[in-house]
Amino acid sequence: QSALTQPPSASGSPGQSVTISCTGTSSDVGGYNYVSWYQQHPGKAPKLMIYEVSKRPSGVPDRFSGSKSGNTASLTVSGLQAEDEADYYCSSYAGSNNVFGTGTKVTVL
Amino acid sequence: EVQLVESGGGVVRPGGSLRLSCAASGFTFDDYGMSWVRQAPGKGLEWVSGINWNGDSTVYGDSVKGRFTISRDNAKNSLYLQMNSLRAEDTALYHCARCSTTSCYSALDYWGQGTLVTVSS
Repeated sequence: QSALTQPPSASGSPGQSVTISCTGTSSDVGGYNYVSWYQQHPGKAPKLMIYEVSKRPSGVPDRFSGSKSGNTASLTVSGLQAEDEADYYCSSYAGSNNVFGTGTKVTVL
Repeated sequence: EVQLVESGGGVVRPGGSLRLSCAASGFTFDDYGMSWVRQAPGKGLEWVSGINWNGDSTVYGDSVKGRFTISRDNAKNSLYLQMNSLRAEDTALYHCARCSTTSCYSALDYWGQGTLVTVSS
């Protein structure tokens, strides 16, 4: 299975919003509402930020939101803060297994 | 507190084998599916394998199918990954992760810090 496509990088100033896209196919992103997003700081384990397209686990700030349209899912981080600078990965169920996105490095300017 | 602690990584020659373990605590282990995810140095995440709550359903990524075997022992709260016919491209940090449901179609809600596997001659 092929990795989902994400932009390599995204950036924004503190307080601004940044949106990351995650493009797949009708066999993964477009076919199931099982898209999740993970945040990874350098040297740390990934952390779940969004599951089932738009649901937030307990403890994740409501500045993080998710959505999906067709074969593309999106993660929006509003009110950017310095601690949001990290790598972000999307993931989707693909019928029999799961697939991750290529990853996006978010920089807070 | 949910804890996942991986072990068993190390240096192995191409063609060799290694068995990874993941010790789980802080939750009812047999209520959840479990997965292995790897990350090559400086690269992105790659889903490797998943197993449902009782072990009777397993799935694998294309790159490891036929070489890796995932298993679990619910009595020992442990997850395993038997890796055979190892290749240089299997070099990575291997994370154990809890699936958010009894199977692994949704999300991975807790992750271990990982154990490093290096395949080199």
